Amino acid sequence: DIQMTQSPSTLSASVGDRVTITCRASQSISSWLAWYQQKPGKAPKLLIYKASRLETGVPSRFSGSGSGTEFTLTISSLQPDDFATYYCQQYNSYSAFGQGTKVEIK
Amino acid sequence: QVQLVQSGAEVKKPGASVKVSCKASGYTFTNYAIHWVRQAPGQRLEWMGWLNTGIGNTEYSQEFQGRVTITRDTSASTAYMELSSLRSEDTAVYYCARDRHGIVATMGDYWGQGTLVIVSS
Repeated sequence: DIQMTQSPSTLSASVGDRVTITCRASQSISSWLAWYQQKPGKAPKLLIYKASRLETGVPSRFSGSGSGTEFTLTISSLQPDDFATYYCQQYNSYSAFGQGTKVEIK
Repeated sequence: QVQLVQSGAEVKKPGASVKVSCKASGYTFTNYAIHWVRQAPGQRLEWMGWLNTGIGNTEYSQEFQGRVTITRDTSASTAYMELSSLRSEDTAVYYCARDRHGIVATMGDYWGQGTLVIVSS
């Protein structure tokens, strides 16, 4: 099974900050990676698919990059609505999620 | 508009089974796969399996192989996830999600509201 590891687990940041979250796969997944945002009590929301493709309607301050085993999600200027937990998901072989990164207010 | 509406919360005893439904509307049900994902309290999302809604084929995570069954009723545009031999660790919110790319196993773009399943004696 492919394991997904995110870092950091928690990130403290302020509005306007540039934020980067890393996701590593235990083996190569090419670009078969998605990123989600989840708020408490809500279903996940798709942000990015195929590592770098922005889902329709998602603000352009979100971007994704990487291939193989290392990927990043960047929020260029953190907004109040962005405080949430972010998950990566591989879909190269079956599927698996990272453990999540909570972005909290500094 | 695309909507996935799941059945209500369940309380089950250890050893029992639970069956959660996911009713789709706003698109052609058989043109998009359905995934099932769960989330235990404070834990990460866990992918359980996916359903080819067109022909009914399924693939399951090794973690749940032998305990999970995903089915569908195309006439009702509804997918079902049944989990058997429940234990306390199965207490979680269970989600269905439509695959963004059709009848393939990629990622979910539209999600149900979640169904809380509590396993307790």
